[in-house]
Amino acid sequence: AQSVTQLGSHVSVSEGALVLLRCNYSSSVPPYLFWYVQYPNQGLQLLLKYTSAATLVKGINGFEAEFKKSETSFHLTKPSAHMSDAAEYFCAVSDNRRGSTLGRLYFGRGTQLTVWP
Amino acid sequence: KAGVTQTPRYLIKTRGQQVTLSCSPISGHRSVSWYQQTPGQGLQFLFEYFSETQRNKGNFPGRFSGRQFSNSRSEMNVSTLELGDSALYLCASSLDGQVPYGYTFGSGTRLTVV
Repeated sequence: AQSVTQLGSHVSVSEGALVLLRCNYSSSVPPYLFWYVQYPNQGLQLLLKYTSAATLVKGINGFEAEFKKSETSFHLTKPSAHMSDAAEYFCAVSDNRRGSTLGRLYFGRGTQLTVWP
Repeated sequence: KAGVTQTPRYLIKTRGQQVTLSCSPISGHRSVSWYQQTPGQGLQFLFEYFSETQRNKGNFPGRFSGRQFSNSRSEMNVSTLELGDSALYLCASSLDGQVPYGYTFGSGTRLTVV
């Protein structure tokens, strides 16, 4: 079974500060991991994904995440926050057995990022 | 290329009615998944369709159903609506539903049951 825990339902940072959004997963098999962003009244936009290649994954808008198997973590970071980064962020997991989950992602509860000017 | 299109964007229905939501996937994508998003339960998987067949199903009552057409467009139906069905319904399309290809989400249909 897969599950995702996002520590901190709300994170606030000043513009220009480091963004760190935490995600820990539980999976019985090596996982695939994703970060999505959701702006108000919008769907989910993929920021980045880990699919067992490089453990440091770079995504769009300057975000990156590092897969740490020993810590079962996939934290999302951005060196310098911008006002436009204010949104809700979701971490998701799926197992990597081909055909096993068929379109199914398990999502965390989300972290609302606020960026102060 | 065009993204995932969901219609309508907003719906208001009365308790006890039924509703049909539509999702047109990215051209060439054959897998469509549906999710329900609520403040209380977060994002929950409803079901996944591929080549007109339901391949995977989440833990929702039988009032929630779906189908997929030969052009890969998908519809989901909710019968006998309850207040708790108020949610944002998202669909996601992918090439074949296999994880490495990723999923592209639509903007969702906001359903309000009164």
